[in-house]
Amino acid sequence: DAGITQSPRHKVTETGTPVTLRCHQTENHRYMYWYRQDPGHGLRLIHYSYGVKDTDKGEVSDGYSVSRSKTEDFLLTLESATSSQTSVYFCAISDPLTGNEQFFGPGTRLTVL
Amino acid sequence: KNEVEQSPQNLTAQEGEFITINCSYSVGISALHWLQQHPGGGIVSLFMLSSGKKKHGRLIATINIQEKHSSLHITASHPRDSAVYICAVVLVQGAQKLVFGQGTRLTINP
Repeated sequence: DAGITQSPRHKVTETGTPVTLRCHQTENHRYMYWYRQDPGHGLRLIHYSYGVKDTDKGEVSDGYSVSRSKTEDFLLTLESATSSQTSVYFCAISDPLTGNEQFFGPGTRLTVL
Repeated sequence: KNEVEQSPQNLTAQEGEFITINCSYSVGISALHWLQQHPGGGIVSLFMLSSGKKKHGRLIATINIQEKHSSLHITASHPRDSAVYICAVVLVQGAQKLVFGQGTRLTINP
């Protein structure tokens, strides 16, 4: 399995509080992604990164920001969490040198009360 | 209309049956992924293909680029194959971004 971890794995927080989720990889893959998975919507891309300090928005980026200061870490921040951001968040990695196959992290279950 | 449509949404079968899950898409793609997700579990990549057919054990994936259609087949299905199977396409433009289908929930009864 690709070396990709997410922390925390579970979090309960209150509306209006900031939350940061971390994705860490040991594979030196170029691309990193944050997705959310919701019943009825499936998986949707929030933000992605194509290199250190290079990031771009996905289809559901409102209310989220990201940062990538080094290859191995991709942070997802909810500046002021809302109940609509209750979801399961998956990080993924890929790289052209390994055929662009995407490898997924174990997921983080976030509940915003 | 979703850019990626899977059918069926739910499928229940008996152990040993041949299973087919379909994926149709309406956008230009450079590749297509089939993913597997067990209940409460993580997401595992089964196949990534851009043409033809790939086989891994009892799983076979095919793609027809002209018809914008892919199928995932499971031969000699087993209860451990019970999972959600997700089709995802890689858009032609940009950083390997995926667009996902809604998933097919497969249940194999012993």
